[in-house]
Amino acid sequence: AQTVTQSQPEMSVQEAETVTLSCTYDTSENNYYLFWYKQPPSRQMILVIRQEAYKQQNATENRFSVNFQKAAKSFSLKISDSQLGDTAMYFCASSNSGYALNFGKGTSLLVTP
Amino acid sequence: DGGITQSPKYLFRKEGQNVTLSCEQNLNHDAMYWYRQDPGQGLRLIYYSQIVNDFQKGDIAEGYSVSREKKESFPLTVTSAQKNPTAFYLCASRAGAGTGELFFGEGSRLTVL
Repeated sequence: AQTVTQSQPEMSVQEAETVTLSCTYDTSENNYYLFWYKQPPSRQMILVIRQEAYKQQNATENRFSVNFQKAAKSFSLKISDSQLGDTAMYFCASSNSGYALNFGKGTSLLVTP
Repeated sequence: DGGITQSPKYLFRKEGQNVTLSCEQNLNHDAMYWYRQDPGQGLRLIYYSQIVNDFQKGDIAEGYSVSREKKESFPLTVTSAQKNPTAFYLCASRAGAGTGELFFGEGSRLTVL
């Protein structure tokens, strides 16, 4: 079974600053996918970014980017130019084809003015 | 608009009563999932279904039951055997075994009094 670990239960960052959320995972699969989901106070789960394990290039989506270290099984999320609307729970997740996603316990991010 | 609809959004039940949470999707997705979310626990998989008339237990299936009679629908019944049913329940779907990305409904909050 795959396990996902998020070691930072809570973090805070000032508006316009950069913050990095950590995630490590454990899998024996060769072909898998990694995700970061955002859950704002509305509790709607929103996909932030996705990474295919076979791609060496780190994924980026506007202000969001990842640092994918396959050998270390690390998948951190960097949020640049943080905005108040980035305040949310962030979940790291892993998946191998044909099955469900395994989620970490989440990191609560607070962006302050 | 295409999406996943969960109902009801909030539900209160007395202890010992069964309750059914509805999940409907019009995304034409093959796979559907139920997750349970508790504070500090992340998302835990209850059941999943990859095709109609077939479903598998997830990590915490005890006290829950599901059916998949139609592609669009995947209701979850929380039975009286579930020892701690108060939680936030999320339904999700996925197009296939491609990217592995899940699309989520808005969730149902169940409170057992």
